[in-house]
Amino acid sequence: GENVEQHPSTLSVQEGDSAVIKCTYSDSASNYFPWYKQELGKGPQLIIDIRSNVGEKKDQRIAVTLNKTAKHFSLHITETQPEDSAVYFCAASSDNNDMRFGAGTRLTVKP
Amino acid sequence: NAGVMQNPRHLVRRRGQEARLRCSPMKGHSHVYWYRQLPEEGLKFMVYLQKENIIDESGMPKERFSAEFPKEGPSILRIQQVVRGDSAAYFCASSPLAGANVLTFGAGSRLTVL
Repeated sequence: GENVEQHPSTLSVQEGDSAVIKCTYSDSASNYFPWYKQELGKGPQLIIDIRSNVGEKKDQRIAVTLNKTAKHFSLHITETQPEDSAVYFCAASSDNNDMRFGAGTRLTVKP
Repeated sequence: NAGVMQNPRHLVRRRGQEARLRCSPMKGHSHVYWYRQLPEEGLKFMVYLQKENIIDESGMPKERFSAEFPKEGPSILRIQQVVRGDSAAYFCASSPLAGANVLTFGAGSRLTVL
């Protein structure tokens, strides 16, 4: 089955700096890669996703890149703000497999 | 559209009791997934269900845990004879389609076993 690894487990940045979170996956059949943000006491919320037919996707301050050959994908947050502080999860799934999540990255943005 | 509704939000049980967690998927969604999250850890897949069918239960412990998604009513995750190690947040997610698609999560049910 799919195995998703995520790094780093914790990340602290100064407000205004960029944050990068990286994930690798094992199943070459995986074709859908979402990123979720989880705030304290809440369920995960989708913030951006990418499918395997594109290499990059951007939505305002958030971007995701995908390298299918190397089986890794990354989340980039630019101009970070304190409200970006949360736990971020990457995930991977395919048409035949359920979604599997990385272990999460706790991002702290210091004002 | 009320989103994915989970209840109860918080549940306290003593060791040996039963816990029942309910999940009503988003309107129009017929695919339900349950995940468990231990404190400071990630989301662990437990089970994937469609109406009246268990599609994949590979992440669910073989004993004491069961799940159903009946034709009518919410999906239910049932834990019998709870132990302290069952204390966790249990999240339900739903999707309109099978396969690689967006999952919408509920707010979770936090189980505490005393």
